[in-house]
Amino acid sequence: DGGITQSPKYLFRKEGQNVTLSCEQNLNHDAMYWYRQDPGQGLRLIYYSQIVNDFQKGDIAEGYSVSREKKESFPLTVTSAQKNPTAFYLCASSPPGLEVAQYFGPGTRLTVL
Amino acid sequence: AQRVTQPEKLLSVFKGAPVELKCNYSYSGSPELFWYVQYSRQRLQLLLRHISRESIKGFTADLNKGETSFHLKKPFAQEEDSAMYYCALKPLGNQGGKLIFGQGTELSVKP
Repeated sequence: DGGITQSPKYLFRKEGQNVTLSCEQNLNHDAMYWYRQDPGQGLRLIYYSQIVNDFQKGDIAEGYSVSREKKESFPLTVTSAQKNPTAFYLCASSPPGLEVAQYFGPGTRLTVL
Repeated sequence: AQRVTQPEKLLSVFKGAPVELKCNYSYSGSPELFWYVQYSRQRLQLLLRHISRESIKGFTADLNKGETSFHLKKPFAQEEDSAMYYCALKPLGNQGGKLIFGQGTELSVKP
């Protein structure tokens, strides 16, 4: 089933709180990605990581942070600085040589109350 | 500006009819183009990429640089083709997997 898991499936947060979304993969992929999806829009890249202990900002990184301490894990923290965090978040990975997201997780829907 | 446009939000066809999902892009260069698909209650997945020039599940897509288009086509639609389809562009020389996505087209194949 793709080998990428995301948790939780639904997440509710109060304004002003940081929240961390989990992404784990057992595909042995080096590259991992975080995308945000809003209604009626395509996906937008938040952060990506091509190798452990290294990551790069995507198009909409402001208000988000990530870490890549292990190859299989790429958690995303939505900070209180993110002005409009309510969205659907997708994690993805890709094998060496492809350079674009190939396998996606099931997603986490974050709602700010 | 770099942009991917899918002009149809919803495309409805009958089983056995030809289908064409439109994708137009705006980019001053030679991009790499992709189609992604998401079937109901399944995850988003890569369907095909233009440099592979392959046919996946009967779908093909040809990059037309003159018209800046990358339309997805299938001669005979099947009910199981019903899904959400996204066109995406990877700028040339981009490292790190940055993709520009279109808004998506929902394909509905009726029996």
